[in-house]
Amino acid sequence: ETGVTQSPTHLIKTRGQQVTLRCSSQSGHNTVSWYQQALGQGPQFIFQYYREEENGRGNFPPRFSGLQFPNYSSELNVNALELDDSALYLCASSLIGAPGWTQYFGPGTRLTVL
Amino acid sequence: AQRVTQPEKLLSVFKGAPVELKCNYSYSGSPELFWYVQYSRQRLQLLLRHISRESIKGFTADLNKGETSFHLKKPFAQEEDSAMYYCALSPQGGSEKLVFGKGTKLTVNP
Repeated sequence: ETGVTQSPTHLIKTRGQQVTLRCSSQSGHNTVSWYQQALGQGPQFIFQYYREEENGRGNFPPRFSGLQFPNYSSELNVNALELDDSALYLCASSLIGAPGWTQYFGPGTRLTVL
Repeated sequence: AQRVTQPEKLLSVFKGAPVELKCNYSYSGSPELFWYVQYSRQRLQLLLRHISRESIKGFTADLNKGETSFHLKKPFAQEEDSAMYYCALSPQGGSEKLVFGKGTKLTVNP
């Protein structure tokens, strides 16, 4: 059983640019959630994808968008980057419907916006 | 509004001492409560969830709906317990978002 993986590990962008972060779900999982963790804060829910459809969204602007693919991997896209977008982005996968299910987190992608 | 409050940013205890990490929540319904832990250089992982009512690594947490609290306790802290602890709630039994607190950094001194 492979765990959740994320790429890249870290990257640096400048204001106004666009970025794509990637996540591979744990084997057998059908749901992916994305979180933003600013320095000194807890993770904050961005959105969740279930069976390739958005299944809930947090308080983030539309320039944060996502995709889930048939193999349940996922992308987080952020357009028009702002300095405040600098954070650790966490992906978590889960299997909705499984008894006692939980969200399994990846190691995160550290994004720095200059 | 859904909110999780962890009043202590830092908590330091000696090995063998009891430890309690506080968590209070705000939610009008019946949420599911979790404790997640992040050890140094490791990813965030589930420690325990209130519906399981189990003890993990000696830690327990009781949901007190009257006080809207879900404090994490361990009677005898160990050095390997040093980590960042996050309390979280899920408004719909964990099927959607997790709302996290800001976390408490626990340091267990020898």
